[in-house]
Amino acid sequence: DAKTTQPNSMESNEEEPVHLPCNHSTISGTDYIHWYRQLPSQGPEYVIHGLTSNVNNRMASLAIAEDRKSSTLILHRATLRDAAVYYCIRGNDMRFGAGTRLTVKP
Amino acid sequence: GAGVSQSPRYKVAKRGQDVALRCDPISGHVSLFWYQQALGQGPEFLTYFQNEAQLDKSGLPSDRFFAERPEGSVSTLKIQRTQQEDSAVYLCASSPITGLLPYEQYFGPGTRLTVT
Repeated sequence: DAKTTQPNSMESNEEEPVHLPCNHSTISGTDYIHWYRQLPSQGPEYVIHGLTSNVNNRMASLAIAEDRKSSTLILHRATLRDAAVYYCIRGNDMRFGAGTRLTVKP
Repeated sequence: GAGVSQSPRYKVAKRGQDVALRCDPISGHVSLFWYQQALGQGPEFLTYFQNEAQLDKSGLPSDRFFAERPEGSVSTLKIQRTQQEDSAVYLCASSPITGLLPYEQYFGPGTRLTVT
C-alpha cells in the first residue's frame, strides 16, 4: 500500500519554476506532509512540511490541495544545485519511497 | 556547526564477516535513526532511538542486525555474518524532536557497505 505516489522523474530548465507533485489520497486529517531531497552522494535533507495551509520557506513552497489528497512542492527558480531526488512523506510514515528524480538543464 | 558524521564512509566486507558502523549525531539531539538505502531506492527505516532507549526496531531485516546507543549520543549499527544483500548505504539521522517522526531529521553522509 503506497501511501504516497510521485512521478519517477522530471526535467526542468535552469531558472524556471518547478512543480513536483505528490498524491496521498488516503491521508488522514492529522497527517502532515513532509518533503526531503537527496543530492547525489549525500544523505537526505529536510525541505519543508505542512498540514493544510500553503507553506513557504527559504528553500521552497508547499501547496496543499483543499481536499489534502495531493500536494505540490514548488521550487521558484530551479538551479543546477537543485538536481536531486525529492521525497514526499505522509504523516508519521517513515517510508521515503523512490521519490522523483529532478534533472535541471542549463 | 558540526553535522551528523558517520564512519567509515566506505566499507568492504567479505561475506560472513561482522561489521560495525558508527554514527555521531548532532550534539544534544535526542532522537537518532538508522536507514538502509539500496541502489536506486529511497531510504528504508531500520530503527529509532530516543536517548539511549531503542524504541522501535521494526525495520531491522534480520537478527543479524543490531544497533545500540549506550550513552544516548554515539550509535553503532552492527551487522553480523554479512550477506551480499546487505550491500547498501547505511544512513544515520538525528533530530532534536522526540518521537518517530519524519520531521526535522538531519542526515549524515552515509556509509557505503559492499559485501563481496
